[in-house]
Amino acid sequence: EPEVTQTPSHQVTQMGQEVILRCVPISNHLYFYWYRQILGQKVEFLVSFYNNEISEKSEIFDDQFSVERPDGSNFTLKIRSTKLEDSAMYFCASSVQRGNTEAFFGQGTRLTVV
Amino acid sequence: ILNVEQSPQSLHVQEGDSTNFTCSFPSSNFYALHWYRWETAKSPEALFVMTLNGDEKKKGRISATLNTKEGYSYLYIKGSQPEDSATYLCAFGGTGANNLFFGTGTRLTVIP
Repeated sequence: EPEVTQTPSHQVTQMGQEVILRCVPISNHLYFYWYRQILGQKVEFLVSFYNNEISEKSEIFDDQFSVERPDGSNFTLKIRSTKLEDSAMYFCASSVQRGNTEAFFGQGTRLTVV
Repeated sequence: ILNVEQSPQSLHVQEGDSTNFTCSFPSSNFYALHWYRWETAKSPEALFVMTLNGDEKKKGRISATLNTKEGYSYLYIKGSQPEDSATYLCAFGGTGANNLFFGTGTRLTVIP
């Protein structure tokens, strides 16, 4: 069964360092998303991506964040200069259509900023 | 930021009991309501996507109902089993938005 895969599963980084979280969405899906969950809090939307551009982003997704689909299969989230408060579980998801079809989630990358 | 609330936050039931929990969401600009089942260390798994007021969906012992006019959805589990232990997330999709707004989840523990 097709699935969304994310790497790495856990990343520890020093404050101020750049990190890149990687995702391989399901191949025939057109919409891609990043969400995150800070421990004990809700899953929060970061950004959606369609047709090679950002279609929507939340207020969390500020200038230190960027997304890219560099080669037609990978979908990456870059955090330029990590802060302690960026520590969270980051989930990638993809869907065939927006909204009314299910989004398939990866297992997440746990980012720990020290 | 849209407010999606789930209750209760956590729930312990005995094996064989039936249970239900609630998701409330904005009743305006509704597009879809999603339910996910999330086991520790695994991906959230989609259970249902519901779009029409009055929708009822069923998958095995799990079912869900939707009331878009009053902004709530119920998830029911009949005859709970230990393998049903997980966090159940609901997520609201609004018109004009290309993302989901999640509730905090209901953490279900089924005691053998």
